[in-house]
Amino acid sequence: EAGVVQSPRYKIIEKKQPVAFWCNPISGHNTLYWYLQNLGQGPELLIRYENEEAVDDSQLPKDRFSAERLKGVDSTLKIQPAELGDSAVYLCASSLMLTGINEQFFGPGTRLTVL
Amino acid sequence: ELKVEQNPLFLSMQEGKNYTIYCNYSTTSDRLYWYRQDPGKSLESLFVLLSNGAVKQEGRLMASLDTKARLSTLHITAAVHDLSATYFCAVTVNSGYALNFGKGTSLLVTP
Repeated sequence: EAGVVQSPRYKIIEKKQPVAFWCNPISGHNTLYWYLQNLGQGPELLIRYENEEAVDDSQLPKDRFSAERLKGVDSTLKIQPAELGDSAVYLCASSLMLTGINEQFFGPGTRLTVL
Repeated sequence: ELKVEQNPLFLSMQEGKNYTIYCNYSTTSDRLYWYRQDPGKSLESLFVLLSNGAVKQEGRLMASLDTKARLSTLHITAAVHDLSATYFCAVTVNSGYALNFGKGTSLLVTP
């Protein structure tokens, strides 16, 4: 079974530039998450999708961040414009809620460096 | 505010030794998860603990959950170099979906 796929794996941009990350979840997983992981920290949730609906985006900085999950499968996370403090690893995860377990499977992440 | 605290944050141990990583959380939790992360890699799910007294074992790792004490432990038996990684615990609350992670425990197993 293929895991969560993310691209690109690495991205270096200058501040004020836009950037986009792509995620393809595990086939059949209806729940998709975007997490932000700063160096030396655990991941923090940015947004959660149930199918194509964003059901929890309370931690997403909406002034510069946006996300979409068209057709309830792939998802894109965008930052415009990027700031120096956005340098981090952006992780995508997916899950299939079964019997309350909600085990989340993570992709390899996109490491963003903003210069 | 939910707090998830792990200790130690850094651990260097010799091969063959035993050690325990602790995960405390500040509010009632539905589920507790342990993940492993190798440098530059993604998070790998190790255990999901659902109820008080739950114990799960996989190889040299054993995880347990005490919901009354709001404490989970990850016990390492006879450590080997391949266990070197960062270990995260995470909890969900109020039947939510978001994982609330600790800062992670960076483990180095040396010969």
